[in-house]
Amino acid sequence: DSGVTQTPKHLITATGQRVTLRCSPRSGDLSVYWYQQSLDQGLQFLIQYYNGEERAKGNILERFSAQQFPDLHSELNLSSLELGDSALYFCVSRGDRFTDTQYFGPGTRLTVL
Amino acid sequence: GQQLNQSPQSMFIQEGEDVSMNCTSSSIFNTWLWYKQDPGEGPVLLIALYKAGELTSNGRLTAQFGITRKDSFLNISASIPSDVGIYFCAGLGYGGSQGNLIFGKGTKLSVKP
Repeated sequence: DSGVTQTPKHLITATGQRVTLRCSPRSGDLSVYWYQQSLDQGLQFLIQYYNGEERAKGNILERFSAQQFPDLHSELNLSSLELGDSALYFCVSRGDRFTDTQYFGPGTRLTVL
Repeated sequence: GQQLNQSPQSMFIQEGEDVSMNCTSSSIFNTWLWYKQDPGEGPVLLIALYKAGELTSNGRLTAQFGITRKDSFLNISASIPSDVGIYFCAGLGYGGSQGNLIFGKGTKLSVKP
């Protein structure tokens, strides 16, 4: 158990819809990263938050957004969903900025029909 | 952008055999991480490497951070059926990086009892 929690574990929705994925990092960790894993693209970095502030953006579509709340949990919002958005979405927790080890949550499997 | 080339893509070996996989990059990384992912689960951190030339073990697993900072390898000795899974290398870049990992495409390991 990595100590990172993600909900829901599975999500099935239709094209054009909007969903929210939720993550709680390990206790005390300030950084949250979101990654997308698909069969064709592999693991891709989407976005990072540190103590409530956006720190870095990767290959994140404009239809996607995220935020980190004062209690450090984070949400990833995916809107106008397309078939190609079907993937595993992972939240990753990292400790202080001098700790490079990153711990994955169990993931949310999103299926867009 | 930074990319990691991980090889082999897949391996099918006999139980008890040793396994070796590696990652190379055209860019320098200052941290290498190795993860294992079981089906439907999030990647689990196996070994973290922080220094060029560093050789680190975790049970039957041994990983090395290449001297050039552009490569890393992972060895598994005396493989057992529970070693089955997908192994990912991940690198953390120099300068300007906000800490997001760059992942290889993975090595799928199958072990025949």
